[in-house]
Amino acid sequence: DVKVTQSSRYLVKRTGEKVFLECVQDMDHENMFWYRQDPGLGLRLIYFSYDVKMKEKGDIPEGYSVSREKKERFSLILESASTNQTSMYLCASNGQNQPQHFGDGTRLSIL
Amino acid sequence: TQLLEQSPQFLSIQEGENLTVYCNSSSVFSSLQWYRQEPGEGPVLLVTVVTGGEVKKLKRLTFQFGDARKDSSLHITAAQPGDTGLYLCAGERSGNTPLVFGKGTRLSVIA
Repeated sequence: DVKVTQSSRYLVKRTGEKVFLECVQDMDHENMFWYRQDPGLGLRLIYFSYDVKMKEKGDIPEGYSVSREKKERFSLILESASTNQTSMYLCASNGQNQPQHFGDGTRLSIL
Repeated sequence: TQLLEQSPQFLSIQEGENLTVYCNSSSVFSSLQWYRQEPGEGPVLLVTVVTGGEVKKLKRLTFQFGDARKDSSLHITAAQPGDTGLYLCAGERSGNTPLVFGKGTRLSVIA
């Protein structure tokens, strides 16, 4: 079975902090994705990556950056956390022409 | 503009009833996936449909992809409380492009 692991289920941080969300997949997938999910807005794509050291902006990249130094790991970085970044963050991965598999999510609260 | 429209947004039914959830678009998709998400968890893949007119069955769940590959439906027969959750459809427009997600249908099945 595909396993996508997100480092934290729940996280509470303060405004202005630099926040790291980690995601690891064990299926040697080329593609990895970061989404945020908010009530009434659905899933929105923040950043994605099709290869190591490669990144592409999604629909809402402002205030975020990503890092993919190794194939299995895709990190989402909130450079200076703000309260409007309080959300559920979901990581996903897939191989070529394969469906996406999701992690369990990180519920992030910015106080 | 929401590329994938899901309806209804909310659905509350009694155990044993049948229901249908719709996913519609003006765009053509090369494939379409259905996911189910429980509170506090990540979406879990139910099925992928790739051929226009395709019908797939998963126990009491029947998935159909429209002939023109622009729409899909999920039919649940004799719903059970365990079917409760958020149902998401997601379409892939061409090979290896990010998925487009609908906003989801929140289903509640009451015993």
